[in-house]
Amino acid sequence: GAVVSQHPSRVICKSGTSVKIECRSLDFQATTMFWYRQFPKQSLMLMATSNEGSKATYEQGVEKDKFLINHASLTLSTLTVTSAHPEDSSFYICSARGGTSQETQYFGPGTRLLVL
Amino acid sequence: GQNIDQPTEMTATEGAIVQINCTYQTSGFNGLFWYQQHAGEAPTFLSYNVLDGLEEKGRFSSFLSRSKGYSYLLLKELQMKDSASYLCAVMDSNYQLIWGAGTKLIIKP
Repeated sequence: GAVVSQHPSRVICKSGTSVKIECRSLDFQATTMFWYRQFPKQSLMLMATSNEGSKATYEQGVEKDKFLINHASLTLSTLTVTSAHPEDSSFYICSARGGTSQETQYFGPGTRLLVL
Repeated sequence: GQNIDQPTEMTATEGAIVQINCTYQTSGFNGLFWYQQHAGEAPTFLSYNVLDGLEEKGRFSSFLSRSKGYSYLLLKELQMKDSASYLCAVMDSNYQLIWGAGTKLIIKP
């Protein structure tokens, strides 16, 4: 149990385009989903927390107009990187919390974004 | 402020035992987590401690002392595949996870 999927696993795009990343909890209902970013050899950085049906809470320094988060259902959250630039190239990882273990976050496999 | 401390890097030998320590200072405490992260992959959940004591799960055990703000992850019978980063994270009073920087564990034959 507690499986989280992410799609796509890898994406390459041109500068200025937008990229959407999907995060799904496959076998449980995720009351809360989290979006992280991780640069090479660095720690996980929390970008935002989203609860189903409400607006996401963004961490300080994360532009909410650039990183659009939609948590439309208890099993799906999306992150859209708008007008992507090379500095947005990173490893984006979602996690979900819910089901039988209300405390534990289970991570998706991550999406590697490369902006040219 | 909130702070999680763990060693940056450790080296151990295949077949041996290694203990990775984590100390924390957070506003409130609602549990401590250990995650394993292989290079280029997302973290995977290893353990959750909310009460003092030792939790054993196969070759991995996790210990917590809330009064000391201290935890350790114990890995026995080390295998080469255990080479990874081990992340300590504490859930604070707001149920937010505060992450340590991770300990890179290198296993040598």
